[in-house]
Amino acid sequence: DARVTQTPRDKVTEMGQEVTMRCQPILGHNTVFWYRQTMMQGLELLAYFRNRAPLDDSGMPKDRFSAEMPDATLATLKIQPSEPRDSAVYFCASAPQGGEQYFGPGTRLTVT
Amino acid sequence: GDSVTQMEGPVTLSEEAFLTINCTYTATGYPSLFWYVQYPGEGLQLLLKATKADDKGSNKGFEATYRKETTSFHLEKGSVQVSDSAVYFCALRRGTQGGSEKLVFGKGTKLTVNP
Repeated sequence: DARVTQTPRDKVTEMGQEVTMRCQPILGHNTVFWYRQTMMQGLELLAYFRNRAPLDDSGMPKDRFSAEMPDATLATLKIQPSEPRDSAVYFCASAPQGGEQYFGPGTRLTVT
Repeated sequence: GDSVTQMEGPVTLSEEAFLTINCTYTATGYPSLFWYVQYPGEGLQLLLKATKADDKGSNKGFEATYRKETTSFHLEKGSVQVSDSAVYFCALRRGTQGGSEKLVFGKGTKLTVNP
């Protein structure tokens, strides 16, 4: 049963620290999405990639957030420096091109 | 821009009650429409979808019909179970033929079913 995996599942950090979240997409899926979920804003798309190239990162604060795909089996989302307002659940999803998105279990980030 | 509006929750029902969660959308062109479900502590799972007007998506007893004339995609289930307790998200995606694959989500509706 193929699944999207995300690590860590929970992260607590102090403001100003760097945070890196990782995602392993389903093998064969060439499109990867990063979402953020908060009570106030709901689900927001931060960025997405196809074949490891960024297609849209307009939802991502550029000054502190960065997203990359070092290879086809790994996507990373980095926040540096982190702030309390970044506290949220971050979801990764993967899809075959034009197909349905499969979500990972999420990383719950708390910035104190 | 594209947007999805769904009824605010929370919704609390007794087991075997009838469920309706309303969803309306605004979009250019002919989007595909989706319902996702999120169980506590988990990611979203696709529940059902419809890709063109008058299509009915169905899964696990849930149904939704793509109504272009009313720009709606309401979720229904005839008899809910305690295990249906979750948050339900309505979403749209514009065509993938050279268009965006981004999903636009509603705010979510929390459903609690009591025994």
